[in-house]
Amino acid sequence: DIVMTQSPDSLAVSLGERATINCKSSQSVLYNSNSKNYLSWYQQKPGQPPKLLIYWASARESGVPDRFSGSGSGTDFTLTISSLQAEDVAVYYCQQYYSTPLTFGGGTRVEIK
Amino acid sequence: QVHLVESGGGVVLPGGSLRLSCAASEFTFSDYGMHWVRQAPGKGLEWVALIPYDGSNTYYTDSVKGRFTISRDNSKNTLYLQMNSLRAEDTAVYYCAKDGNPFASGSKSYYFDYWGQGTLVTVSS
Repeated sequence: DIVMTQSPDSLAVSLGERATINCKSSQSVLYNSNSKNYLSWYQQKPGQPPKLLIYWASARESGVPDRFSGSGSGTDFTLTISSLQAEDVAVYYCQQYYSTPLTFGGGTRVEIK
Repeated sequence: QVHLVESGGGVVLPGGSLRLSCAASEFTFSDYGMHWVRQAPGKGLEWVALIPYDGSNTYYTDSVKGRFTISRDNSKNTLYLQMNSLRAEDTAVYYCAKDGNPFASGSKSYYFDYWGQGTLVTVSS
């Protein structure tokens, strides 16, 4: 199984400042035949289902604000919120879809400082 | 807009059974693989099961193999999860989720682009 490890577990950022969340996979999720990283990011607010933010490690889902960006390749990935807004308070999860069982990181809680 | 509505959750005794349903609308259900993902109270997300668009096979996380069965009825646009021999550790909100790309074969799957609101399953005596 591919283990996904996120860091930090939580972070507090001032409004308008940058938030950075890291995700590391226990093996590469880069599929060589198409050069795509099988890695996605989700945002979950309290009492709501998760919402897709980023797929293929860096492709932003339609309707997602451009302050959200994803980067990385192979085993190391980053979700960046360039200018934190109040509505971004949530738990963020990375997920690999390279192979079953599909696995998620443990989540990172983002709060306002 | 894609719509996924889960139902069938509730309180069940350990060892009992429950069948969850997920009614899908506003997309061509028969073109997409579907998943069940669960979240224990206060915990993270755990993928449970996958069924490809054509129902040709099924895939499970190890902890539910032999106890849970995912199925689909493409004529009714509905996904199911039959849960038997339930344990306390199966207590969670169960979400159905749509695969992000059509016609993915076998165990191939993609990101989850739409999720239902979830249904709570509580296993307790």
